[in-house]
Amino acid sequence: EAGVAQSPRYKIIEKRQSVAFWCNPISGHATLYWYQQILGQGPKLLIQFQNNGVVDDSQLPKDRFSAERLKGVDSTLKIQPAKLEDSAVYLCASSQPLRGTRYGYTFGSGTRLTVV
Amino acid sequence: SQKIEQNSEALNIQEGKTATLTCNYTNYSPAYLQWYRQDPGRGPVFLLLIRENEKEKRKERLKVTFDTTLKQSLFHITASQPADSATYLCALLTTDSWGKLQFGAGTQVVVTP
Repeated sequence: EAGVAQSPRYKIIEKRQSVAFWCNPISGHATLYWYQQILGQGPKLLIQFQNNGVVDDSQLPKDRFSAERLKGVDSTLKIQPAKLEDSAVYLCASSQPLRGTRYGYTFGSGTRLTVV
Repeated sequence: SQKIEQNSEALNIQEGKTATLTCNYTNYSPAYLQWYRQDPGRGPVFLLLIRENEKEKRKERLKVTFDTTLKQSLFHITASQPADSATYLCALLTTDSWGKLQFGAGTQVVVTP
């Protein structure tokens, strides 16, 4: 099966600019996650979708971050305006409901964002 | 506060030896503990899962133990190979946060020939 696709792979923007990341999960995976991984740290969950509904966005900085999942498939994560501390790798992952607890999540390769 | 702690220092090991990594957690009651491998520039890849009522799990050269009394998991790579060089992440799932997989910072393993 095809993996989780993410684009772009790299992005450099100036602070206060906006940026968007795209994710296409594995076909049939109803659950989609966005994680932020700062250099030297583990991934931190930003938002979790079940189909096109939000299950958990408690760690999403909602004043500047937004995310949507179109028709329960693809998802976009947006940052507006970006801050220097947003420099990180943004990882998308997907799983089948409950199966993720037993069979792990499948991650994309991520988008490396550098804010200058 | 909840914490997942892994050794921040890289583990340097000679090929053929066993690498042992530690994952300690506090203020969690995990139902599942997962281990992932992450290579530079790539996303984490799922390796193994162990449930709270299991003591040990094996998969090929990998072995995971889970001690809920000590609040600790050990991850072993036996007969290590240079291809095993990567960062290994511990992650927890609790019964009150299904689907919210929380990660430690990872431990880098370097296997030299």
